[in-house]
Amino acid sequence: AQSVAQPEDQVNVAEGNPLTVKCTYSVSGNPYLFWYVQYPNRGLQFLLKYITGDNLVKGSYGFEAEFNKSQTSFHLKKPSALVSDSALYFCAVRDMIRGGADGLTFGKGTHLIIQP
Amino acid sequence: ETGVTQSPTHLIKTRGQQVTLRCSSQSGHNTVSWYQQALGQGPQFIFQYYREEENGRGNFPPRFSGLQFPNYSSELNVNALELDDSALYLCASSVVVVGGEETQYFGPGTRLLVL
Repeated sequence: AQSVAQPEDQVNVAEGNPLTVKCTYSVSGNPYLFWYVQYPNRGLQFLLKYITGDNLVKGSYGFEAEFNKSQTSFHLKKPSALVSDSALYFCAVRDMIRGGADGLTFGKGTHLIIQP
Repeated sequence: ETGVTQSPTHLIKTRGQQVTLRCSSQSGHNTVSWYQQALGQGPQFIFQYYREEENGRGNFPPRFSGLQFPNYSSELNVNALELDDSALYLCASSVVVVGGEETQYFGPGTRLLVL
């Protein structure tokens, strides 16, 4: 079975400071990892994904994520936070061996609040 | 915007009724997945359709069923609605590639309230 943990319900960061949203995962094989963002009353918007290759993945709006296989983590980062980054962030995983038939498994989400 | 559309945006039903939710996939996408997002939770996988066949299912009972049409639009049907079915229902479309590394693009969702 595959699972995702987002240990923080909420992260507060001052505008202009770096931000990190944490994610750890568990899969039987190798993971495909994703980050999505959800704004109020909207669907999920794709930010970035890790498939293979470089452990540092760059995505939309200046976000990046670092894959760490030994720590089974995929933390989302941004060097300088904007107020407009305030939203609900979801980490998701899919087992590479199982393919798409199991769908994505999501964490519970982390509210990111950027204070002016 | 992703190009994935869903209808209706909101819906109110009573317990025991049946509901049909609709999704139009992004152009060129041949796979559709449905998710249920309860309040304060992450989305949970219901099922996936590829080439009009269900090819994967999460931990949902048979009263949750679906269809995918030749134009890759899709329906989610829920029979015998229960109060716990109240949630945001998300549709996601993708293109299947070798290795299953496709990215799923989500629609805005349909918010269902069961009274």
